[in-house]
Amino acid sequence: KNEVEQSPQNLTAQEGEFITINCSYSVGISALHWLQQHPGGGIVSLFMLSSGKKKHGRLIATINIQEKHSSLHITASHPRDSAVYICAVFSRGSTLGRLYFGRGTQLTVWP
Amino acid sequence: EPEVTQTPSHQVTQMGQEVILRCVPISNHLYFYWYRQILGQKVEFLVSFYNNEISEKSEIFDDQFSVERPDGSNFTLKIRSTKLEDSAMYFCAKQGIDYGYTFGSGTRLTVV
Repeated sequence: KNEVEQSPQNLTAQEGEFITINCSYSVGISALHWLQQHPGGGIVSLFMLSSGKKKHGRLIATINIQEKHSSLHITASHPRDSAVYICAVFSRGSTLGRLYFGRGTQLTVWP
Repeated sequence: EPEVTQTPSHQVTQMGQEVILRCVPISNHLYFYWYRQILGQKVEFLVSFYNNEISEKSEIFDDQFSVERPDGSNFTLKIRSTKLEDSAMYFCAKQGIDYGYTFGSGTRLTVV
């Protein structure tokens, strides 16, 4: 079982601010997902990464496998970024199979 | 990549009734999953399904639950006798050869 911790639990920002959400996990993993959950409940995968950094538009995800830590950054935040951001990890040695989820970070961006 | 569509989007059922949640369409992917999220809690794993068989299930997935792939495309989760604590958002998900995950749109189940 892998305990996945996210911080902060809630985050409020003004439009344009730089956002960082952190994720740590207790057991070594092979890869990690950053997910976005919309107010209606739907879940979308933003990134899957196993090392280094990935960038997609204003979103940047980094991971340090040895330190068991990942971060999701949002540059120039916008109200449409308001959502719950969830970190989820695979078990060590596999990128097939179930995910272990964090509790999520509720992000609210005000105009 | 086509989205994974779940039906119904919302279902209200009486306690003790059977419900079937559907995941459509399903293309040729390696793994299929069901997860659930009780309101205000984190997403929990229920079961994984590979090659038309259950490959892993959680302690939540007891005899009340079953999964099927009845016609090669649909993927269903059945709850035989619903309890109040089964009220949750249920997600199916698929995973392909690129190991990426695609989640369904979710079914909100309310047991009254």
